Amino acid sequence: NAGVMQNPRHLVRRRGQEARLRCSPMKGHSHVYWYRQLPEEGLKFMVYLQKENIIDESGMPKERFSAEFPKEGPSILRIQQVVRGDSAAYFCASSPLGQSSGNTIYFGEGSWLTVV
Amino acid sequence: AQKVTQVQTEISVVEKEDVTLDCVYETRDTTYYLFWYKQPPSGELVFLIRRNSFDEQNEISGRYSWNFQKSTSSFNFTITASQVVDSAVYFCALSVVTSGSRLTFGEGTQLTVNP
Repeated sequence: NAGVMQNPRHLVRRRGQEARLRCSPMKGHSHVYWYRQLPEEGLKFMVYLQKENIIDESGMPKERFSAEFPKEGPSILRIQQVVRGDSAAYFCASSPLGQSSGNTIYFGEGSWLTVV
Repeated sequence: AQKVTQVQTEISVVEKEDVTLDCVYETRDTTYYLFWYKQPPSGELVFLIRRNSFDEQNEISGRYSWNFQKSTSSFNFTITASQVVDSAVYFCALSVVTSGSRLTFGEGTQLTVNP
C-alpha cells in the first residue's frame, strides 16, 4: 500500500522562478492538505482540498501561492516568483474523510524547497 | 482560536532513560482531537497516536505511552527505556470539529538520545 507520495523530494529554484510540488494521496483518500514547515519552526496549515474543490485556503499566502486537486492526477501546490522566504519543507497529507470528522491524516515525506 | 504549546524545545537523555514530552493545548471546543507525530532526521512525519476529547484513557503502545488529562489540558508523551532510534523531533497537534480541516501544531520538541 503506497502512502502519500510527494515529488520532488528536493527542489532548488532561483529567485523569480516557479515551483511546482506534487502530491498523490493514499489510495482511497479524497481529501488533501498542504502544510509548510519553515526552518526551525512547526508546521503551519496552508490549504485543504477535495477533488476539484478548495475547501479551506485560509492558511495560504495571498499572493503567488495556489493549489489545485484536479479530477485526475495529483494535487499541485504552485509557488510563482519564488523568494528566499519560501524556502521550507512542504508537506502534503491525505485522509479518507474530512478532518472535521476526526480522521487521522497521513503525511507524505515532504518536499524541500530551496530558493537561491 | 486553538493553541498548542510544547514547553521543551530540546531534551537530551542517555539511552535507557525514560523521557516525557509535555504538550499543553488550548481550545474552547468540547469536541477535539489530539495527535502526536514523529519527525526523524530523514524528515518525514510519522503518525503516532490520535485521541479524541471524550476518551481520557491513557494508552500504551510498546515503549510509548500517552497521558491525557482534560483537567490540565495536557497530552503528554512518555518514552520508556529510550533508544538512539527515538532521536527525532516530536510534534503535538490539535484539531477541532468547528475548524474542519486544520491541524494546529506545537513547535516541536527535539529529542536526542545519546548512546
